Amino acid sequence: QVQLQQWGSGLLKPSETLSLTCAVYGGSFNGYYWSWIRQPPGKGLEWIGEINHSGSANYSPSLKSRFTISVDASKTQFSLNLSPVTAADAAVYYCARKDPVNGVDFWGQGTLVAVSS
Amino acid sequence: DVVMTQSPLSLPVTLGQPASISCRSSQSLVHSNGNTYLNWFQQRPGQSPRRLIYKVSNRDSGVPDRFSGSGSGTDFTLKISRVEAEDVGIYFCIQGTHWPYTFGQGTKLEIK
Repeated sequence: QVQLQQWGSGLLKPSETLSLTCAVYGGSFNGYYWSWIRQPPGKGLEWIGEINHSGSANYSPSLKSRFTISVDASKTQFSLNLSPVTAADAAVYYCARKDPVNGVDFWGQGTLVAVSS
Repeated sequence: DVVMTQSPLSLPVTLGQPASISCRSSQSLVHSNGNTYLNWFQQRPGQSPRRLIYKVSNRDSGVPDRFSGSGSGTDFTLKISRVEAEDVGIYFCIQGTHWPYTFGQGTKLEIK
C-alpha cells in the first residue's frame, strides 16, 4: 500500500520561508507526478504544482512565482518551499500522488501551516 | 481555470436512503486523448482524502459498490445507493484534464 508522510514548519512569521517534505513509502517512485495541494481555512482546495522523479516541475500559473517544488528520488521524497509567506498562505497543505493514467490517488495526512507575527 | 461547481454543499441523508452529488465543470473535461479525468474523493473527519471513483465511473479497489459515478462532458454525478453511517464526511470532485487541476467546493454529507 502506498503511503505519503509529510512534515514541516507549522507556525511561521510573515516574510519567512515555508518548507514541507513528503516521503513516499511503497509502490514505485518513478512514473508518477508528486503533487502539492493546499486548502486555506474556510476555502476550497487549490492545486499548487507537481514534479516527477527526474525533477520536471509544473506549477499553477496563478501561484508559480513564490513556490518551488523539488525532488530527491534517492530518498523517495519531494519538497515544497514558499517564500516569502504572507497571512494569505495559511492553509492545510497536502502532498499527493498523481498517476498519469488515472489521476490523483493517494494523499498525505496534511500539515496545518499558520502565519502570524 | 476550469471552475468546478458542486451541489448541494450540504447533504443531510437518512440512513439507508440514496444520496446524489452533482459536479459541473465550466468546460468539457474530455481530454484530447479521449479520456475524461474526473475523480471523486471522500474525506472522513480527521482523515486524508480517499479516492472513490476515477475517470468518471471507475470504482477504486475496496470501495463499496453502493458508490457509483456517472456523467460526461461537463456534467457528473456521484451516487450512493444506500447511505451508511461510515459515509459521513466531505465529498469532492477534481478535474485532471485542464491545467491547473481544479476542485469542487466539497459536499458535506451528514446523517439526519
